[in-house]
Amino acid sequence: GAVVSQHPSRVICKSGTSVKIECRSLDFQATTMFWYRQFPKQSLMLMATSNEGSKATYEQGVEKDKFLINHASLTLSTLTVTSAHPEDSSFYICSARLPTEGTQYFGPGTRLTVL
Amino acid sequence: QQQVKQSPQSLIVQKGGISIINCAYENTAFDYFPWYQQFPGKGPALLIAIRPDVSEKKEGRFTISFNKSAKQFSLHIMDSQPGDSATYFCAASPGFQKLVFGTGTRLLVSP
Repeated sequence: GAVVSQHPSRVICKSGTSVKIECRSLDFQATTMFWYRQFPKQSLMLMATSNEGSKATYEQGVEKDKFLINHASLTLSTLTVTSAHPEDSSFYICSARLPTEGTQYFGPGTRLTVL
Repeated sequence: QQQVKQSPQSLIVQKGGISIINCAYENTAFDYFPWYQQFPGKGPALLIAIRPDVSEKKEGRFTISFNKSAKQFSLHIMDSQPGDSATYFCAASPGFQKLVFGTGTRLLVSP
C-alpha cells in the first residue's frame, strides 16, 4: 500500500514552454501533498505544500507564478512549470501524506530537461 | 535551528559489515524522525521511522537509535549488502508537518 505515482517520468521541452507534472496517490486519499526539487548529488528541497481544495503554501524563494500547483482532488496534485528555462531543469519529486499515519510517501520523480 | 546535520557524506562498507549513519538536530519541536533510501533516478523510499518515546526501533536489518538528550539519531544497517548501495537521507519534523532533510549519505557496499 501507500503508492504514489508521477507522470511523466521524463520530459524534454523547449525554453519558454510550460510543462505539467502529475502526482497521484494510488491507494489512499491525501489531503496534503508536497513538491520537492532535487539537484544532482544534493538533498531534497521543499518547494511547496499542496492542500486539497486550497491554495498551495510555497517555501521562501520559490516563485508562485512560475511553479503553479493545483490540488484539485484527494488523489491528484499537479505542478506546472510555466515558461520553462534551462535553469528549471531538475528532478522534481512529489510526496503524499498518509492521513492515518502522517508518513510521507514519495513518487518516483520526474526528470525535466529544458533546452 | 531548522537544520538536520548528517554524517558522513559518503561511506564505504564491506559486504556483511555494519553501516552507520548519524544525524543531529537542534529544534526540540521535532518529534518524528524517518529515514529514506534513494537509488539513482528514483524517488526516496521510506525505510524506517521513529518517535522520541522510544530509544530504538528495529525492522529487519535496519535499526534506528535515538538519543533525545543529545538530539541525535542514527541508522544502523546490519549485514550490509551490495544492494544496499544507495543514498540515505535522515529527516525530521514537528508532528507530521513538512520534513527537514539531512544532506544525505552515499553508501557503497563493496562485494
